[in-house]
Amino acid sequence: DVKVTQSSRYLVKRTGEKVFLECVQDMDHENMFWYRQDPGLGLRLIYFSYDVKMKEKGDIPEGYSVSREKKERFSLILESASTNQTSMYLCASSLGARPSDTQYFGPGTRLTVL
Amino acid sequence: KQEVTQIPAALSVPEGENLVLNCSFTDSAIYNLQWFRQDPGKGLTSLLLIQSSQREQTSGRLNASLDKSSGRSTLYIAASQPGDSATYLCAVRDDYKLSFGAGTTVTVRA
Repeated sequence: DVKVTQSSRYLVKRTGEKVFLECVQDMDHENMFWYRQDPGLGLRLIYFSYDVKMKEKGDIPEGYSVSREKKERFSLILESASTNQTSMYLCASSLGARPSDTQYFGPGTRLTVL
Repeated sequence: KQEVTQIPAALSVPEGENLVLNCSFTDSAIYNLQWFRQDPGKGLTSLLLIQSSQREQTSGRLNASLDKSSGRSTLYIAASQPGDSATYLCAVRDDYKLSFGAGTTVTVRA
């Protein structure tokens, strides 16, 4: 079974703090993704990576950066957290870019910025 | 830009009734369409994936159809059970990216 793990289930941070969200997958997947999920807005793509050290902006990259130094790990970084970044953050991975490739999701990190 | 709509937003049915969940999308140039299940406060679990060349997929009590030309997909859940209570999300993929609908929240009453 594919396993996607996220470093924390719940996180509380203060405005202005630097925040790291970590995601690890154990199936040698090429592609990894970060989404945020907000009531009424659904899931929105922040960034994705199709290879080590490669990254592409999604729909809402402002205020975020990412790092992929190793294939199995994809980090989301909030350089200076703000209250409007309070949200559920979901990481996903997929084997490749074929039409048959499913995205597998982690359990999510609920981030609260005070 | 791909827009994905799910109707209805919420549904409540008695146990044993069949469920019909609808998804529509605006751009038919898709790689695939996926249906996911999400339990409260949890991540997403993939239920079915239909490639753009396919018309339907089945898994147990679940059946999903895809009509690319009209931009529609339907998820059928037969003989619903209280354990089917969850939010169901439809997502269409173009290139790398998934575009999600807002979901249909299903309650199955015992």
